[in-house]
Amino acid sequence: DAMVIQNPRYQVTQFGKPVTLSCSQTLNHNVMYWYQQKSSQAPKLLFHYYDKDFNNEADTPDNFQSRRPNTSFCFLDIRSPGLGDAAMYLCATSRDGGAYEQYFGPGTRLTVT
Amino acid sequence: GESVGLHLPTLSVQEGDNSIINCAYSNSASDYFIWYKQESGKGPQFIIDIRSNMDKRQGQRVTVLLNKTVKHLSLQIAATQPGDSAVYFCAENLGDSWGKLQFGAGTQVVVTP
Repeated sequence: DAMVIQNPRYQVTQFGKPVTLSCSQTLNHNVMYWYQQKSSQAPKLLFHYYDKDFNNEADTPDNFQSRRPNTSFCFLDIRSPGLGDAAMYLCATSRDGGAYEQYFGPGTRLTVT
Repeated sequence: GESVGLHLPTLSVQEGDNSIINCAYSNSASDYFIWYKQESGKGPQFIIDIRSNMDKRQGQRVTVLLNKTVKHLSLQIAATQPGDSAVYFCAENLGDSWGKLQFGAGTQVVVTP
């Protein structure tokens, strides 16, 4: 059974049109992460939540926001997508902070037209 | 559209041979390391991990070696199979309380018959 679920798997949006990507987990993990991955590159951390505490990476553009309404769900909001935001967006969870494995979802492939 | 990515280093391996994938990590304070396998269009999948108090750990057909002196990590895959074709990423836990991972650039493994 899938433990980290991302919806939709493929998302097409227009330049400047807000879009929301969804992640849910059945692991009851404390930490949830959002990564951006472009073609042939490593995943790049955008931000993460430890429970309800939000931590933004210093170089994450203001265009990217996140919400975590409860333990199970986390959302990535892109307020005004640009062509450069086209990428795979990966959600991951970890049981706790510190040295624990991160479990990744299948990703959402975002296309911006 | 998506910006053009970098070309990943590629390791071409004949089916049945052993593979060795190398990774240099950057932070002396890193205390936990993970190898992930990522197939095309999918999220990263955990392979094996190792903590900094160890120098070797074995799994099923995989072995991870850690050399803290030179900050080097390697993944050995025994009897490589076609299903092992993927991109392999090493990731280091930066030793903070958030469990943040920093990913290496990745290596594309191509298994030939």
